[in-house]
Amino acid sequence: SQQGEEDPQALSIQEGENATMNCSYKTSINNLQWYRQNSGRGLVHLILIRSNEREKHSGRLRVTLDTSKKSSSLLITASRAADTASYFCATDARSSNTGKLIFGQGTTLQVKP
Amino acid sequence: DGGITQSPKYLFRKEGQNVTLSCEQNLNHDAMYWYRQDPGQGLRLIYYSQIVNDFQKGDIAEGYSVSREKKESFPLTVTSAQKNPTAFYLCASTSSGRAYNEQFFGPGTRLTVL
Repeated sequence: SQQGEEDPQALSIQEGENATMNCSYKTSINNLQWYRQNSGRGLVHLILIRSNEREKHSGRLRVTLDTSKKSSSLLITASRAADTASYFCATDARSSNTGKLIFGQGTTLQVKP
Repeated sequence: DGGITQSPKYLFRKEGQNVTLSCEQNLNHDAMYWYRQDPGQGLRLIYYSQIVNDFQKGDIAEGYSVSREKKESFPLTVTSAQKNPTAFYLCASTSSGRAYNEQFFGPGTRLTVL
């Protein structure tokens, strides 16, 4: 069962602009995580936000979580060409005690120099 | 360096062959996971293991098998029963306990059926 759905599927912006990606999920969660994947590589963890948190920052990244709407957003400010990658949200269902994550299909971000 | 290693990076399989993908971690993590990724798609869970000598099926376990004889190692065998094995395979691990945290991923193995 698909837990995370991401929007948009693809995003193309100019360097220096902000990029916003959205994620929606279906069931109650313990936490929501965002990962980045460069082409042909493994995933790299960016940020984790717990269900009792509403906003979290890490460098140029800002994540928000709205549990009433079952949605999250990832904002990358002042984007760089090196930010070009696919971004995935992943949720850890509250009903699970296994650490299993369910991933969305991802947003492909292209940052043009 | 601490981390997760996967080998080989590229693997080619003939029809009817079983192949084994290696995953090793030196992070002292209890839990390990295998995912499959198809082009333009997210990750789907194949198998996972929370502790040595124990593992559970994920969402797409058919045609795959695993073992967890050592904490550091979680090899995945793609059997001939898997009808469409061409994909990118990712292994991950995480510390366990009362609250699971982020998963650490290996670099992946790209499997192609000839």
